[in-house]
Parts: sequence; C-alpha cells; structure tokens
Amino acid sequence: DTAVSQTPKYLVTQMGNDKSIKCEQNLGHDTMYWYKQDSKKFLKIMFSYNNKELIINETVPNRFSPKSPDKAHLNLHINSLELGDSAVYFCASSPLAPSSGRAPYEQYFGPGTRLTVT
Amino acid sequence: GQNIDQPTEMTATEGAIVQINCTYQTSGFNGLFWYQQHAGEAPTFLSYNVLDGLEEKGRFSSFLSRSKGYSYLLLKELQMKDSASYLCAVRDAGNNRKLIWGLGTSLAVNP
Repeated sequence: DTAVSQTPKYLVTQMGNDKSIKCEQNLGHDTMYWYKQDSKKFLKIMFSYNNKELIINETVPNRFSPKSPDKAHLNLHINSLELGDSAVYFCASSPLAPSSGRAPYEQYFGPGTRLTVT
Repeated sequence: GQNIDQPTEMTATEGAIVQINCTYQTSGFNGLFWYQQHAGEAPTFLSYNVLDGLEEKGRFSSFLSRSKGYSYLLLKELQMKDSASYLCAVRDAGNNRKLIWGLGTSLAVNP
C-alpha cells in the first residue's frame, strides 16, 4: 500500500521518560511534517523537512527533536516527557509538484500516534 | 496576525444540505484547503481553491472569495457517514508548504 505510516499507534509513558515516534512515506514525496493535535482538536504544525533539510521549525520546546535520515523518513524524539505533551501526533507528507488532478502541496496524513503521559 | 474562523459545531439532518463557512485574515494568500477528519482518524483532503468561484466534486463543493477572505464547504444529500470534523486551512504565502489551520467544525448528521 502506498501511504504514510507511523509507529507506534499508541504510546503510554510516564513523565520524565524519553520516547520516539517514527514516520515513513512511500509516496515519493519530498516534504514531510509533524503536527500535534490536542484535546481541542487544533492541528498545530511543529516541524517540516524538505529532502532532509529543516524548512519549518515552529515555537516548540527544545525537548522535541526531529530527525530525517532520508526524504522518506521523519522521526520525532521527545525528551523529558511532560503531562502537556499528551496529544495525537500526526506525520504528513506532500509532493514538490502536484500530480494530475491533485492540489499543489496537498498533504497526506499518517494514522496518528496517540501519546499519553501519566 | 494570522487567523482562521469556523463555527465550532453544526448539526444537520440526513438528506439535507449544509454549508460550513470559513473566514480568514492572513498576511498573504496562496490557496485554501478543506479537509475532513473522522473521530480517531487522520485528516483527509476534500478540496482546494486558489481562484474565486465554486469547485464541485460530487456531493461536496467549495467556494472561495479572495476579496472577502471567505470560503464555504457545501455538503449535499447528507449521509450519516458525513458526521466528522471539517478543517479549513490556508497556504502561507511566505512558505508554500506551511498550512495555517482553523479549529475545525464538528458536524453531526442526525437521522
């Protein structure tokens, strides 16, 4: 299946721990994103990489560190987890140029990782 | 500042038509997206407008007026499966890849 995939789907951990979320896309897209969606459903952009280069870096605590080993992968590492980090984290990707019938920079989302910090 | 406004919640009846409005105030404009998000799932693309006017795609249509900073999503012949959150997002003129998102409109379709 061509898609954006994330692991794990669910992550329950205690405050102070360090955890990573992985994302992979096999759509051949150049740009990948990390979003945080909180309990109020607001979708907040955190980071974006274009072909391994960081192009969007919003105001995010430096406990969050993205890593893109290649253009098909974007991982998110979180240090010293806090209660307020509990949310759903979505990975997304978009092509550099639209394919026929698609919108420019249309974003394709992964299934999300539900992080619960206790 | 950048701001996108949508109604928080709407209800409608199966078979009816519903219009979800979105107004935006952004420092630039480079296109507007509508996404659908079912509870517990990822957002999925519905429509894209960059020029004024109506884009129709089956039961769903989206309208844009750039001079008014206004868009709407029109859903016809509502079905129960249309119960979802509908997210309006504007492409940042300074960075094509960045979307500025509204808070979403939660639509409940009742039988």
